Amino acid sequence: GAVVSQHPSWVICKSGTSVKIECRSLDFQATTMFWYRQFPKQSLMLMATSNEGSKATYEQGVEKDKFLINHASLTLSTLTVTSAHPEDSSFYICSARIPPRGVGDYTFGSGTRLTVV
Amino acid sequence: KQEVTQIPAALSVPEGENLVLNCSFTDSAIYNLQWFRQDPGKGLTSLLLIQSSQREQTSGRLNASLDKSSGRSTLYIAASQPGDSATYLCAVINSGGSNYKLTFGKGTLLTVNP
Repeated sequence: GAVVSQHPSWVICKSGTSVKIECRSLDFQATTMFWYRQFPKQSLMLMATSNEGSKATYEQGVEKDKFLINHASLTLSTLTVTSAHPEDSSFYICSARIPPRGVGDYTFGSGTRLTVV
Repeated sequence: KQEVTQIPAALSVPEGENLVLNCSFTDSAIYNLQWFRQDPGKGLTSLLLIQSSQREQTSGRLNASLDKSSGRSTLYIAASQPGDSATYLCAVINSGGSNYKLTFGKGTLLTVNP
């Protein structure tokens, strides 16, 4: 149980276009979703935290107008990379806390490899 | 600001060997610490979660210890197998705040050779 489905698993897009990544909680309600970015041989860096029905909270240095996060329902959160550039190429992973289990119980999506050409 | 460091960055061992992965963190005011496994191009799988009040957790061939005061944790893998080959990530959650954000280390890339 407690599965987060992330799509697409990989995407190649042209510079200047926008890409949307979806994360769905399949068998639980995810009131909070976390979006991470991971560059090769680097740790996962938290980009933003989204709470259902409210605006996302972005980490310092993350452009909120470039990385649009929508968490309109308890089972779906989306990350849209707008006007993508090659430097946005990275591995993006979403995560959700699993209720009603304790703090620190998270499940992760399988990740999206974004390549901007 | 919390910083998590993992040593070594990479480790290659023969099958059957016991091994230890290390994790250190700068701010000891943590809520808990978790060890994850990440296969290439994949998401994360939680291995062990240690609450701040605990000293260790065990699951099968895995044992994780936590010394909160010194800011250290170790992941012990017994009788390693080729299927254990993956990147192992350590992450902490700091006390305070309402969203309980994870701070990750860069990971240790483990290769177990048959």
